[in-house]
Amino acid sequence: GAVVSQHPSWVICKSGTSVKIECRSLDFQATTMFWYRQFPKQSLMLMATSNEGSKATYEQGVEKDKFLINHASLTLSTLTVTSAHPEDSSFYICSARNPPDTQYFGPGTRLTVL
Amino acid sequence: QQQVKQSPQSLIVQKGGISIINCAYENTAFDYFPWYQQFPGKGPALLIAIRPDVSEKKEGRFTISFNKSAKQFSLHIMDSQPGDSATYFCAARSGGYNKLIFGAGTRLAVHP
Repeated sequence: GAVVSQHPSWVICKSGTSVKIECRSLDFQATTMFWYRQFPKQSLMLMATSNEGSKATYEQGVEKDKFLINHASLTLSTLTVTSAHPEDSSFYICSARNPPDTQYFGPGTRLTVL
Repeated sequence: QQQVKQSPQSLIVQKGGISIINCAYENTAFDYFPWYQQFPGKGPALLIAIRPDVSEKKEGRFTISFNKSAKQFSLHIMDSQPGDSATYFCAARSGGYNKLIFGAGTRLAVHP
């Protein structure tokens, strides 16, 4: 299947700092990318849909000012967690849609906020 | 109506046996149904997917059965192996929105 990468794979930061996570589709162009959050032993929770060249669409209850998403090119979307707090600690996973149907997921980024 | 209900929550199967995971949905606008496999600390990997105009799809040891009238679909893993031990998620997509709605997941353990 197609390859989606994420960087970094894990990050530890202090409370109040911002963290940027990159998601790249390596072998196809993705006009649409998605950002998910996953807590231990739980399902994936969609945070936002990222469309290249336009503003992201956030799911209900997700703070758009806290989770900044940029989809500047057909192969790159970024998620910035601003003013991170311990409750933001989680596993963040991106996916990229390879039209018409398939979504390929990245390997995930483990964020720990101290 | 946007939910996808998945069962069982956990499943133990002996090596060589058949693992069966079931999902049900309500929204008839769903038009694409993938299954993902996730190992601890990794992102989900696409296993197999089906569209509602097909009743069954097989890829290797993995088969999706789809019942449109009952709004149910299931994953069958034949000849289950210890390496299949993982969490499996069913999902459904509403074409107009592209986003996937995930089931709660099934933790499969295949014992040797």
